[in-house]
Amino acid sequence: EVQLLESGGGLAQPGGSLRLSCVASGFTFKTFAMNWVRQAPGKGLEWVAGIGESEDNRDFADSVKGRFTISRDNSENTLYLQMNSLKVEDTALYYCVKDSGPWATYFDYWGQGTLVTVSS
Amino acid sequence: DIQMTQSPSTLSASVGDRVTITCRASQSINNWLAWYQQKPGKAPNLLIYKASTLESGVPSRFSGSGSGTEFTLTISSLQPDDFATYYCQQYHTSPYTFGQGAKLEIK
Repeated sequence: EVQLLESGGGLAQPGGSLRLSCVASGFTFKTFAMNWVRQAPGKGLEWVAGIGESEDNRDFADSVKGRFTISRDNSENTLYLQMNSLKVEDTALYYCVKDSGPWATYFDYWGQGTLVTVSS
Repeated sequence: DIQMTQSPSTLSASVGDRVTITCRASQSINNWLAWYQQKPGKAPNLLIYKASTLESGVPSRFSGSGSGTEFTLTISSLQPDDFATYYCQQYHTSPYTFGQGAKLEIK
């Protein structure tokens, strides 16, 4: 059974930083691309960032480019999202999402999310 | 960026009804489209990919069609478990954009 368990959310001040983690199990982590998708309270879904199976490919939404970094540790089956220079509009539930292939396909499994609140 | 527009945004229907949700892309995405269902307080769940391929385990009352810029999700006979919000998403070009969602409510 595929499981994606996010952690690291919480309250941060504008301009601050947070690091999200996602531990994956139930599939061969190193052969699939992974993503972060967020959902602001009461709003729709926004893809944030993706990383290929081997870290050679990384991509970001314009809204977070230059502020967020995505990485992975295939030996630990873990995905990360380093969020710097946080803004109030980054407040959202952040989902760890498995891609169906090695890069840029549809999303077949989602974690339950970790909540990030940016407020002074 | 490719804009994805769903219609209607809200739909009221009854158990047993046939329901169709439309998703339009601002430019051609071939058939690189997925549909997701989200229930309150839960993560989205994949229903359909490549515009018309049903994900394993998804009931056959769900179907998808379309290519290019216009797509539809059809539920042939609504069940109580189907009242949720539905999102389309294109994975043709980054950023991989979602529609704004279509909330299916009980009439």
